[in-house]
Amino acid sequence: EVQLVESGGGLVQPGGSLRLSCVASGFTLSGYTMNWVRQAPGKGLEWVSYLSRGGDSIYYAASVRGRFTISRDKAKDSLFLQMSSLTDEDTAVYYCARENSLKDLRDGFVTDAFDIWGQGTMVTVSS
Amino acid sequence: DIQMTQSPSSLSASVGDRVTITCRASQPISSYLNWYQKKPGKAPKLLIYGASSLQSGVPSRFSGRGSGTDFTLTISSLQPEDFASYYCQESYSNTITFGGGTKVEIK
Repeated sequence: EVQLVESGGGLVQPGGSLRLSCVASGFTLSGYTMNWVRQAPGKGLEWVSYLSRGGDSIYYAASVRGRFTISRDKAKDSLFLQMSSLTDEDTAVYYCARENSLKDLRDGFVTDAFDIWGQGTMVTVSS
Repeated sequence: DIQMTQSPSSLSASVGDRVTITCRASQPISSYLNWYQKKPGKAPKLLIYGASSLQSGVPSRFSGRGSGTDFTLTISSLQPEDFASYYCQESYSNTITFGGGTKVEIK
């Protein structure tokens, strides 16, 4: 079965750090572009970070740029999100998501979409 | 950054109703628009990609239309399992943006 599993969430004090992990089964994570997306309690989905398949392109949402770092370990076939200088606004469920290039069978139009998601890991920033 | 505006933010509907959700981009994004379903405690699920292509395994009562800046997601006959939140997402830019979401509730 193709799936993603996140871990590493928990309770952390404001200003603290946390490292999230994401592992894949049923496919090779390093063969895909990967993203982190979060959802704060009662709020909508917010894209957090992007890591290209080749590792040469990395992007961050403005809200986390300079504080979060996305990375991948090819040997362990794992994705990570190192989070630092955490504030209560970072409290959320964090999801890793596989980005896949999907083709419209009618006209051949190709777009990228998040086709596989993990179940999420909860990060709570509180004193 | 591209802004994605969804409307309505919530709606109440009955089983069997036809439901349409709108998503507007702040600049043209061609057909780089995806739709997701999100239920509490569950991972988001891809419904529609490329504005109108149905993801494998998704029921045909879901459909998407649009190009440029204006897009719609339609559920032709609402089923009990469709009560959830729905999000549009642009895949045009490097810094991806989701719409604010539409919560579909039982009337």
